[in-house]
Amino acid sequence: GNSVTQMEGPVTLSEEAFLTINCTYTATGYPSLFWYVQYPGEGLQLLLKATKADDKGSNKGFEATYRKETTSFHLEKGSVQVSDSAVYFCALSAGTSGTYKYIFGTGTRLKVLA
Amino acid sequence: DTAVSQTPKYLVTQMGNDKSIKCEQNLGHDTMYWYKQDSKKFLKIMFSYNNKELIINETVPNRFSPKSPDKAHLNLHINSLELGDSAVYFCASSQTGKNTEAFFGQGTRLTVV
Repeated sequence: GNSVTQMEGPVTLSEEAFLTINCTYTATGYPSLFWYVQYPGEGLQLLLKATKADDKGSNKGFEATYRKETTSFHLEKGSVQVSDSAVYFCALSAGTSGTYKYIFGTGTRLKVLA
Repeated sequence: DTAVSQTPKYLVTQMGNDKSIKCEQNLGHDTMYWYKQDSKKFLKIMFSYNNKELIINETVPNRFSPKSPDKAHLNLHINSLELGDSAVYFCASSQTGKNTEAFFGQGTRLTVV
């Protein structure tokens, strides 16, 4: 079946540190891959996405590359800020026409210290 | 304008009661979802509707009954609430296609006491 595995948190970093959150997936066919961010008390917001192999999604300094050979979609940011503190979810979209669903990893809490 | 809106944002109720959560999207999407997020932040799909038709029902107890009166609305009614139903429920919508992202509402925090 389809699934997403991401590294367990929490991840605690100092401001301006480099961030990597690992994500790997299992899927039949060629899913689209997403990173969502959830700030405290809020819903999920799309951070970036990639729809085919070797695509790089990027937004707000965050990047992730769709690696088919390693079935991975790791999230990176060169210099984190306190405002990046949130829970990050890796997800994939799978199914057939009209039956797509989004499958999420368990989430990784990031805490950035000033 | 909020793209996906849910009401209420908070819901505190006693065991055994019946309650409803409403969701509306103004994005013109044809697919809507309900997800449940537990206390460990794990997100699990409950239901999916495409053009008002139930497409996905992920072995949810039949105390949970979704209803989609039109493509823009998807409500969730829960009968005989149990303590284990306490969670945050998210509504989401998307346009059909695996390359499209889902848009989420702000969530409804349900607490059963």
